[in-house]
Amino acid sequence: GNSVTQMEGPVTLSEEAFLTINCTYTATGYPSLFWYVQYPGEGLQLLLKATKADDKGSNKGFEATYRKETTSFHLEKGSVQVSDSAVYFCALSDVGGTSYGKLTFGQGTILTVHP
Amino acid sequence: NAGVTQTPKFQVLKTGQSMTLQCAQDMNHNSMYWYRQDPGMGLRLIYYSASEGTTDKGEVPNGYNVSRLNKREFSLRLESAAPSQTSVYFCASMIRDGSYNEQFFGPGTRLTVL
Repeated sequence: GNSVTQMEGPVTLSEEAFLTINCTYTATGYPSLFWYVQYPGEGLQLLLKATKADDKGSNKGFEATYRKETTSFHLEKGSVQVSDSAVYFCALSDVGGTSYGKLTFGQGTILTVHP
Repeated sequence: NAGVTQTPKFQVLKTGQSMTLQCAQDMNHNSMYWYRQDPGMGLRLIYYSASEGTTDKGEVPNGYNVSRLNKREFSLRLESAAPSQTSVYFCASMIRDGSYNEQFFGPGTRLTVL
């Protein structure tokens, strides 16, 4: 079956530091890959996505590249802000067939950014 | 558009009690999902409905039932609550057209079973 593994957390950084959150996956076929973010007390919202190998998703200064050879989709940001403090989830979805868009999530990484 | 709405936001139950979590979406999406979120385990799929009139089990369906009342509404029922069902429950919806699609999530229901 499909699985997603994220780096252990929590992660604590100072403002303007560089962020990397590692994500690796196991899947059959060619899944779509996602990063979702959950701010305190809220539901999840899509941060970025990539649908095929070598695609780079980007949004709000965050980036992630779909690496099929290493089955990875690491999240990066060059300079984090206090407002980036949240829980970040890596996820994958099989496309088409009988997958019905079901998402498989990693365990989540708590990011705290201090001023 | 309100997006995906869930009621209630918080609920405390005693072991053995029953309750229904409500979810509605106003985006004309055809697929809807119920997840539970537990610390250190991410979100796990409980049930999903690929389209109106169909429902299927996800990864952790035991102890739950669902109803896809119409295209807008997808409810989750706990017939006899257990402490292991203490969790945060999220409903999501997606328009499914064979390619990648984004799931939209509700704000969640925090359930405590004593």
